Amino acid sequence: DQQVKQNSPSLSVQEGRISILNCDYTNSMFDYFLWYKKYPAEGPTFLISISSIKDKNEDGRFTVFLNKSAKHLSLHIVPSQPGDSAVYFCAAKADTGKLIFGQGTTLQVKP
Amino acid sequence: EAEVAQSPRYKITEKSQAVAFWCDPISGHATLYWYRQILGQGPELLVQFQDESVVDDSQLPKDRFSAERLKGVDSTLKIQPAELGDSAMYLCASSLLGWGNTGELFFGEGSRLTVL
Repeated sequence: DQQVKQNSPSLSVQEGRISILNCDYTNSMFDYFLWYKKYPAEGPTFLISISSIKDKNEDGRFTVFLNKSAKHLSLHIVPSQPGDSAVYFCAAKADTGKLIFGQGTTLQVKP
Repeated sequence: EAEVAQSPRYKITEKSQAVAFWCDPISGHATLYWYRQILGQGPELLVQFQDESVVDDSQLPKDRFSAERLKGVDSTLKIQPAELGDSAMYLCASSLLGWGNTGELFFGEGSRLTVL
């Protein structure tokens, strides 16, 4: 029973364009949602988060949107840069503090 | 900048052997997590500690896996005996509180296990 799903295994965009990564969840009790970025052979690094009471959070080139009625969140990267090429994980925070992760989306930004 | 330390970075072992991974969380972080990430999948929680107590080990295969955090600081994850399906990245993470915060976990660089 996958509580957090990223249905797109990969995404390819041109440098300078917008990257949109999507995530769906099933549990309405999650109170925070997070995006992590992961390079090969490294641990995930935190990118941006959003509280379940918000619908948007922005940090520089990164914006996360939350649609609670649809149980859907998305990460927008504008403009995309080649250094953004990595695996992006969506995660939801449970009440114990643990994070439940999606399967990941591999983003490739082409120069 | 404070980091979560893990060792070894890479481990190759034969099936039925014992392996152990070590993690030192960021100083002052009471909550420690061990996650397993199989290639092509997201990290899955194996065990969560609050200080020295286990909060959640529901996904830990207890017949072969064990984890301890005796003094509430560093932690060891052990597998005995290792099986082929255990090949994965083992990630340690820590956070200040298990609840009431924004959820950010700080991850180490991971220990890559290959079982032959």
